[in-house]
Amino acid sequence: GAVVSQHPSRVICKSGTSVKIECRSLDFQATTMFWYRQFPKKSLMLMATSNEGSKATYEQGVEKDKFLINHASLTLSTLTVTSAHPEDSSFYICSARGQGITEAFFGQGTRLTVV
Amino acid sequence: GQNIDQPTEMTATEGAIVQINCTYQTSGFNGLFWYQQHAGEAPTFLSYNVLDGLEEKGRFSSFLSRSKGYSYLLLKELQMKDSASYLCAVTDSNYQLIWGAGTKLIIKP
Repeated sequence: GAVVSQHPSRVICKSGTSVKIECRSLDFQATTMFWYRQFPKKSLMLMATSNEGSKATYEQGVEKDKFLINHASLTLSTLTVTSAHPEDSSFYICSARGQGITEAFFGQGTRLTVV
Repeated sequence: GQNIDQPTEMTATEGAIVQINCTYQTSGFNGLFWYQQHAGEAPTFLSYNVLDGLEEKGRFSSFLSRSKGYSYLLLKELQMKDSASYLCAVTDSNYQLIWGAGTKLIIKP
């Protein structure tokens, strides 16, 4: 299957700083990328959907100014958590889907801890 | 509204068979996925059904009935490593993925 690489896998940052998470499709062009958040023992919560070259569509309740998503190329999307606070600590997962491909491939996930 | 239901938790014995059910009510249907997720890891793809019937892949099989809005994932010859959460997801008419809450499967020796 296709490979999606997410980096970093773990990050610890201080409260008030910003953190950028990268999601790359390594062997296919990702026309659509999804960003999820997952709390312990809970299912995936879709935060936003981004299509290459256009603005991300955020789910209700997700602050677009706090979670900045950029999908500037067909192989890279980034999620920036701005002015992070301890309640932003979570597992963030990206997935990518290519044109005409039904399956979405997941990155390895990023464990964010804000102290 | 859109809704996907699956049991929260199931327990089974090593070597046995377990069936995890998923029912859905979505605006349109463009396929149903099953993913496996181990604790602390990202989900991995197991199966995709878009037509009615059974898809078999090794120890795992997935069934779909579109008229009933129903799917199941069947796991045979259970192994301890199968202990994980199993997520059912449906692609709606806008090709958006709607996720179930996941079923935590516990395998006992």
